[in-house]
Amino acid sequence: DIQMTQSPSSLSASVGDRVTITCRASQRISTSLNWYQQRPGKAPNLLIFAASNLQSGVPSRFSGSGSGTDFTLTISSLQPEDFATYYCQQSYSAPMYTFGQGTKLEIK
Amino acid sequence: QVQLVESGGGVVQPGRSLRLSCAASGFTLSSYGMHWVRQAPGKGLEWVAVIWFDGSKKYYADSVKGRFTITRDNSKNTLYLQMNSLRAEDTAVYYCATTVNYDAFDIWGQGTMVTVSS
Repeated sequence: DIQMTQSPSSLSASVGDRVTITCRASQRISTSLNWYQQRPGKAPNLLIFAASNLQSGVPSRFSGSGSGTDFTLTISSLQPEDFATYYCQQSYSAPMYTFGQGTKLEIK
Repeated sequence: QVQLVESGGGVVQPGRSLRLSCAASGFTLSSYGMHWVRQAPGKGLEWVAVIWFDGSKKYYADSVKGRFTITRDNSKNTLYLQMNSLRAEDTAVYYCATTVNYDAFDIWGQGTMVTVSS
């Protein structure tokens, strides 16, 4: 099974900061990596698919990069609505998917 | 409006069964593979099961294999999850989701809570 490890598990930042979250796969997965945002009490929302493609309607301050085993999600200038939990997900072994453990982004 | 709506959650005793439903509107369920994903309280997301668009193939997470069964009724535009032999560790919000445009879950339901407790 492919394991996904995110770092950090939690992160404190301020509005306007640039933030990077990392996701590492236990084996090479090409660019089969997606990112989701989840606000409390809500369903996850797709942000980035195939490592670097922005989902329609997602603000351009979100970006993704990486291939192989190492991936990053970057938020260029944090907005108040960005404080949430972020998950990576591998689709390399689709239709059986695996999520990372999540990164909680909190207000400093 | 494209939408998935789950129902059927509730409180159930350990060892009992429960069936969840996921109704689609605004799109034709029969064109897509459908998934269940769950989230235990305060925990991360766990993929649970998938069913092919035509029901011909099904796959399960090891944690539910042999206890849960995913089915669909395309004539009713509805997905199901039959959960048997429930355990306390099955307590979670259960989401249905699908991959319409990409190999990623781009449509999610709002979730339904299942609590397994005596």
